[in-house]
Amino acid sequence: EAGVVQSPRYKIIEKKQPVAFWCNPISGHNTLYWYLQNLGQGPELLIRYENEEAVDDSQLPKDRFSAERLKGVDSTLKIQPAELGDSAVYLCASSPRGVGNNEQFFGPGTRLTVL
Amino acid sequence: SQQGEEDPQALSIQEGENATMNCSYKTSINNLQWYRQNSGRGLVHLILIRSNEREKHSGRLRVTLDTSKKSSSLLITASRAADTASYFCATDARNTDKLIFGTGTRLQVFP
Repeated sequence: EAGVVQSPRYKIIEKKQPVAFWCNPISGHNTLYWYLQNLGQGPELLIRYENEEAVDDSQLPKDRFSAERLKGVDSTLKIQPAELGDSAVYLCASSPRGVGNNEQFFGPGTRLTVL
Repeated sequence: SQQGEEDPQALSIQEGENATMNCSYKTSINNLQWYRQNSGRGLVHLILIRSNEREKHSGRLRVTLDTSKKSSSLLITASRAADTASYFCATDARNTDKLIFGTGTRLQVFP
């Protein structure tokens, strides 16, 4: 069974440029998460989808971040424009249903460097 | 914001020794989970313990939970060099419906 796939694995951009990350969750997993992980810290939730609905985006900086999961399968996270402080690892995870009793399955992440 | 704090922040041991990591959290939980993250990789789920459980085992892993003290510990017995990684606790806090990760413990196991 394929795991969570993310691309690209690494991205280097200059500040004020746009950037997009893509995630394909494990087949059949209804719930998809985007996390931000700063160096030396644990992941912090940005947004959670149940199928195509964003059910928790309270931590997503909506002035520059956006996300979509149009068909309830793969998802894209976008930053426009990127700032120096956005340099971090962006992790995608999925689970068969919402949190509570289920483990989350993580992708390898996209390491973003903003110069 | 991160609910959990792991202690110690970093731990170095020799192969064969046991490693103990602790996690403290702030609010009532439904369950607590432990994850491992190898350098440059995503997180891997290790074990889940529910709020009504006190201890759980999985292979060389032993997890305890003390809800009165809002703390958990992860014990890795007979450690191996391959156990070198960062370990995170994550709480499924009541009334938030989200998983909140701690700050992690970086474990180094020397062969």
